[in-house]
Amino acid sequence: ETGVTQSPTHLIKTRGQQVTLRCSSQSGHNTVSWYQQALGQGPQFIFQYYREEENGRGNFPPRFSGLQFPNYSSELNVNALELDDSALYLCASSLGGFSYEQYFGPGTRLTVT
Amino acid sequence: ILNVEQSPQSLHVQEGDSTNFTCSFPSSNFYALHWYRWETAKSPEALFVMTLNGDEKKKGRISATLNTKEGYSYLYIKGSQPEDSATYLCAFSGILTGGGNKLTFGTGTQLKVEL
Repeated sequence: ETGVTQSPTHLIKTRGQQVTLRCSSQSGHNTVSWYQQALGQGPQFIFQYYREEENGRGNFPPRFSGLQFPNYSSELNVNALELDDSALYLCASSLGGFSYEQYFGPGTRLTVT
Repeated sequence: ILNVEQSPQSLHVQEGDSTNFTCSFPSSNFYALHWYRWETAKSPEALFVMTLNGDEKKKGRISATLNTKEGYSYLYIKGSQPEDSATYLCAFSGILTGGGNKLTFGTGTQLKVEL
C-alpha cells in the first residue's frame, strides 16, 4: 500500500448539493494532486496543491475547489453537484517540484442522483 | 490538448502467455512516461517511470521500453499469471505542464489472465 488514504470510500449525493472529499498524503510528501475518473475514461487531472497553494489546474469549472492544510493533507470540494460529477476521485501525493513519483490513494466513489 | 492513447482496450490471455501493450503520447515537450498497475478496489501502483529515449526497465516478469522521438512505450509481461489481471495505465507528463507531477492518462488496457 502507498500510505495515501482517502475518505469516505463511497458516498451518494443529490444534484445541487455540495461534497467534500479528503486525502491524507504519504509521510514527507508536500504535494497533493486530485484526479477524476469517469466511467470508461482514464483519470483526468483536476488540480494540484503544493505547500498549501494551488499549483496548476486542469479543465474543470470553479465549482471544483480545494484546500491543503499545514500537515499537507487536502480536501476537494465540489459545489452544485451535477449528474456528470459521478466518478471515482483519486488523490496522489508526491514531493514537490519536478519529481517523478506519485503515490495514489484508493479513491472515493461519488454517485450523484 | 494532449492525447495519450493505449491499445488494446482489453486483452484476455491464458496463463503462461506473454503479452504486450502500447502507449502512444506526444513526442514534443516530453518529461516522463509512467506505467501504473491498477487492481480493482485498490490504489494504482506505480510500475515504472521512464525519462530517457531508449530507456528499458524491468521489474520481475514485467518490462517496458520507451521511444520519445516517435512517442510510444511498450509494456511487456512474460509468462502471464492470474495475479497479473489488472488495468494497466500509462501517463504522460510534459515540461510545459509542470513536469512530473501533472499526469495525462490514457484510458488503460484491461488484462484478464485465465487459467
